[in-house]
Amino acid sequence: KQEVTQIPAALSVPEGENLVLNCSFTDSAIYNLQWFRQDPGKGLTSLLLIQSSQREQTSGRLNASLDKSSGRSTLYIAASQPGDSATYLCAPLPGAGSYQLTFGKGTKLSVIP
Amino acid sequence: SQTIHQWPATLVQPVGSPLSLECTVEGTSNPNLYWYRQAAGRGLQLLFYSVGIGQISSEVPQNLSASRPQDRQFILSSKKLLLSDSGFYLCAWRQGEGIQYFGAGTRLSVL
Repeated sequence: KQEVTQIPAALSVPEGENLVLNCSFTDSAIYNLQWFRQDPGKGLTSLLLIQSSQREQTSGRLNASLDKSSGRSTLYIAASQPGDSATYLCAPLPGAGSYQLTFGKGTKLSVIP
Repeated sequence: SQTIHQWPATLVQPVGSPLSLECTVEGTSNPNLYWYRQAAGRGLQLLFYSVGIGQISSEVPQNLSASRPQDRQFILSSKKLLLSDSGFYLCAWRQGEGIQYFGAGTRLSVL
């Protein structure tokens, strides 16, 4: 059974700082991995989807990397802004034809102005 | 473009009352549909998923049920709510192994 761990559980940084969020998963046989953000009381918004054959995926100030063999993914946020404050979740998809994502508990990010 | 609608946004129900939450998706065909629950301090828990009309898989045995009467409609129901059913319910859809999209969620309080 896939288990997903996100460290740290919470992070507080001053505005403008670059930061890295970590995600580790126990079963490296994944098809892809998604990163989401969730604002308080809201649904999840997809940020990036990185395929197992990719090492990186970028969108604006966000960069996700994937090291499938070691069961790790990182989300890099450049020049953080107060609007980046949210909970960030990662979710690997086990394999082609799989139906279920396995979610970590997330990292709660606070960017202080 | 594809959109997902989930309602109501907030619901307060007494213990023992019935429940019906509805989710509809537009702009896609034959999506995989999902119901999750998110309790305070806990992660996302997958409750049900469906790969087609009338096809429901349950991940957590409990007093909730799901139905998919139409291709893009997913309904979460209960005949009698428990206090422990309180939480934030999220509907989601995905096409194949692509991006998974979530609705805005329903905050359910059972009193």
